[in-house]
Amino acid sequence: DQQVKQNSPSLSVQEGRISILNCDYTNSMFDYFLWYKKYPAEGPTFLISISSIKDKNEDGRFTVFLNKSAKHLSLHIVPSQPGDSAVYFCAVQITGTASKLTFGTGTRLQVTL
Amino acid sequence: NAGVTQTPKFRVLKTGQSMTLLCAQDMNHEYMYWYRQDPGMGLRLIHYSVGEGTTAKGEVPDGYNVSRLKKQNFLLGLESAAPSQTSVYFCASSIRGSYNEQFFGPGTRLTVL
Repeated sequence: DQQVKQNSPSLSVQEGRISILNCDYTNSMFDYFLWYKKYPAEGPTFLISISSIKDKNEDGRFTVFLNKSAKHLSLHIVPSQPGDSAVYFCAVQITGTASKLTFGTGTRLQVTL
Repeated sequence: NAGVTQTPKFRVLKTGQSMTLLCAQDMNHEYMYWYRQDPGMGLRLIHYSVGEGTTAKGEVPDGYNVSRLKKQNFLLGLESAAPSQTSVYFCASSIRGSYNEQFFGPGTRLTVL
């Protein structure tokens, strides 16, 4: 039973345009939400996060939005750059559970010239 | 700082053989984790540790054992490897507490024939 879903396995966006990656979760107990970026043959690297008390968090070109009522979060990348081409995983956490993460299945983003 | 390192990077085993994967971190993190990543399934938690001498089961612990004898090291053992354990294994660590991201190693690609 998949608790975290990323329904788009892949996404292609032109350089300079906005990339929007989506993630849905089922358990309302999740209260911390993260995005990781992964290049081939490397480990995931942390990108941005948001706690359940917020609905938006911004860091440079990256913004994460959280809609708790819909159990949905999204990552916006503006403007997209070729170096952003990677697999993006959303991950969720419940406070007090040793920071364990439950991951989505990932979305492969390709930014074309 | 090297961050999180994993040894070895690649390994091929025959069914029934045993091996140990080593994870080391130099960030003085309390928490450490082992995940496996399979195609189309994201990362799944195998075992984790909240401190030296303590370990706990994650989502997919069967067929694996772990030990955390030193704070900086977390070992993952396969006693009798099976083809179903062919995967990419990632180690991660984080500081104690809530709302913290995990830092990942580069991964170990294991093939069981």
